Amino acid sequence: EIVLTQSPATLSLSPGERATLSCRASQSVSSYLAWYQQKPGQAPRLLIYDASNRATGIPARFSGSGSGTDFTLTISSLEPEDFAVYYCQQRSNWPGTFGQGTKLEIK
Amino acid sequence: EVQLVESGGGLVQPGRSLRLSCTASGFTFGDYAMSWVRQAPGKGLEWVGFIRSKAYGGTTEYAASVKGRFTISRDDSKSIAYLQMNSLKTEDTAVYYCTRDLTPWTTVPLFGYWGQGTLVTVSS
Repeated sequence: EIVLTQSPATLSLSPGERATLSCRASQSVSSYLAWYQQKPGQAPRLLIYDASNRATGIPARFSGSGSGTDFTLTISSLEPEDFAVYYCQQRSNWPGTFGQGTKLEIK
Repeated sequence: EVQLVESGGGLVQPGRSLRLSCTASGFTFGDYAMSWVRQAPGKGLEWVGFIRSKAYGGTTEYAASVKGRFTISRDDSKSIAYLQMNSLKTEDTAVYYCTRDLTPWTTVPLFGYWGQGTLVTVSS
C-alpha cells in the first residue's frame, strides 16, 4: 500500500500570504495525485486532480504541481475561506490512499 | 447539479448490522462508479469501498479493514448505492460519505463529488 505523508501537519499564515503544502508518496504515483479541501462540519471537496488540473469551479489561486513522489499544493494569496484541512490522495495503485492532512490555520 | 444524499446512519451496538443508502440525482447514475469514504471523529479520511459501473463489470473493491464485513451494491433503476455493514465494531464509528467518481472511466477512485455524510456510532 502506498503511504502518503503530508507536511507540515499545521501551517499558520495570514490572509494574503502564499501557502505551500507538501505531499510525499512512498513510491511513485506518476501524476495520479489529487488534493481535497475540508472545512469544519463539511464534506471534502475536490480541488486538484492528476497533480495539476483544477476541478470545476476551483479558483485560479489554487495550483498543483509535481510528479513521481513529490507534490505541492500552492495557494497564491490566501482568502479567509481557504483556512481548512487539506488532504492529498493517490489513485495510482489500489487502494486509493489519503494523506493524513495539513491544517491551514489563521495566524 | 450533482447531488448525493446519504441516509441510514445512527447508533448501533457492536456486532450488529446497519445499511446506509446514497440517493443520487443530477446525473446518469448508472454511468459512474461510486465509493464510500469514512472519517472517524477528529481523524482523517479512509476509503471504505468502491463499486464499478455496469459498463466496467459492476464489481467491487474494499479496504482491508472492512473486507468480509461490508458489502456495496447499487440499484441503477433507483439511482441508489448501498453500504451494508455487518459485524460492526466500535472502530467503525465515523461519518460515512458517499462519493461519485469524477469521470465515468476512472479505474481507481477519484472522488469528484461528495454527499454531506451520515454518522454511524457503534457503541454498547
